[in-house]
Amino acid sequence: AQKITQTQPGMFVQEKEAVTLDCTYDTSDPSYGLFWYKQPSSGEMIFLIYQGSYDQQNATEGRYSLNFQKARKSANLVISASQLGDSAMYFCAMREENTDKLIFGTGTRLQVFP
Amino acid sequence: DGGITQSPKYLFRKEGQNVTLSCEQNLNHDAMYWYRQDPGQGLRLIYYSQIVNDFQKGDIAEGYSVSREKKESFPLTVTSAQKNPTAFYLCASSPYRSGANVLTFGAGSRLTVL
Repeated sequence: AQKITQTQPGMFVQEKEAVTLDCTYDTSDPSYGLFWYKQPSSGEMIFLIYQGSYDQQNATEGRYSLNFQKARKSANLVISASQLGDSAMYFCAMREENTDKLIFGTGTRLQVFP
Repeated sequence: DGGITQSPKYLFRKEGQNVTLSCEQNLNHDAMYWYRQDPGQGLRLIYYSQIVNDFQKGDIAEGYSVSREKKESFPLTVTSAQKNPTAFYLCASSPYRSGANVLTFGAGSRLTVL
């Protein structure tokens, strides 16, 4: 069965610094996708970045990058130059090709301080 | 603007009552999903549907029912059989089997059982 693990319930980072949010996953499907979503206090889920299991390069989207280490089954999110508006819950998720279900981790609450 | 509309935003229910949460999308997406989120936890999949008139159980389907009579609509009924229905419910949609299949989420419905 697929599984997503986020071991950091909370993280603090100072404004303008970089922060890494950890995510490990477990699957037996060779084809899968990894996602990161942001959930502000308002509750909506905002898509940040995607990495396919066969992608050779790490995904990047503006200040977000995904540190994909396939052998270790990790997909850590790196946020560079943190901003106060980055304070939110962050969820890692995975979809296996054969199930088409998106399964989420328990999330990491990031707080950015001035 | 294209998006997903969930209603109502807040809902109160007495024990023993069924309640239906509405989810409508105008994105022409084939797949639709219902997730449940409890405080401090990640999203858990209740039901999902990849095409009209077809749907599959997720990880926590007991006490819930859905229908998919139209492509744009995927209502969720929380029945009296659901033992602990107080939670935040999120509906999502995505293109089916199309690239990264990024989910677009609605703003959520918060259900409280009195």
